[in-house]
Amino acid sequence: DAGITQSPRHKVTETGTPVTLRCHQTENHRYMYWYRQDPGHGLRLIHYSYGVKDTDKGEVSDGYSVSRSKTEDFLLTLESATSSQTSVYFCAISGRNSYNEQFFGPGTRLTVL
Amino acid sequence: GIQVEQSPPDLILQEGANSTLRCNFSDSVNNLQWFHQNPWGQLINLFYIPSGTKQNGRLSATTVATERYSLLYISSSQTTDSGVYFCAVPYNNNDMRFGAGTRLTVKP
Repeated sequence: DAGITQSPRHKVTETGTPVTLRCHQTENHRYMYWYRQDPGHGLRLIHYSYGVKDTDKGEVSDGYSVSRSKTEDFLLTLESATSSQTSVYFCAISGRNSYNEQFFGPGTRLTVL
Repeated sequence: GIQVEQSPPDLILQEGANSTLRCNFSDSVNNLQWFHQNPWGQLINLFYIPSGTKQNGRLSATTVATERYSLLYISSSQTTDSGVYFCAVPYNNNDMRFGAGTRLTVKP
């Protein structure tokens, strides 16, 4: 199994507060991704990183920012959480065969009240 | 953008039965992945299958890239096979587009 951890695993917060989710990998892979999963939508890409300090937007990036200061860590920040950001957030890294094979972390369940 | 459609959306089986899940995609792709999301929410890689057929135990997958579909076969289903099965294809190099999934329930 790919070495991917996410923290926290569960979080409840209030509207308007900042929230940061962390993804940590031990595989030294170049590519890292943040997805959100909502009922009826499958998984949708928020942001991704293709190296330290190199990031780009995905399909649903509004309201989110990311940072990657080290190869192993990819942070997702909600500057001012809203109820529409209640979701399950998954981090993924690229696989060993090609950068397009992805492996997923355990997920973070975020509830914004 | 690329569209990914999975069928059926829901499937209920008796333990021991076989099933076929389908994934259609609207554009040419150079790879495709199948995942199983178990009832605890964990996403497990099943197959990375750009084309051809692969087998892993009771599961096998076939992708026919020229006809833009992939099939996932589950034989002799077990209750532990329950969960949601997703297929995903690359989009714009670094994006992966997921289907909405097939929810499988295997009854003892």
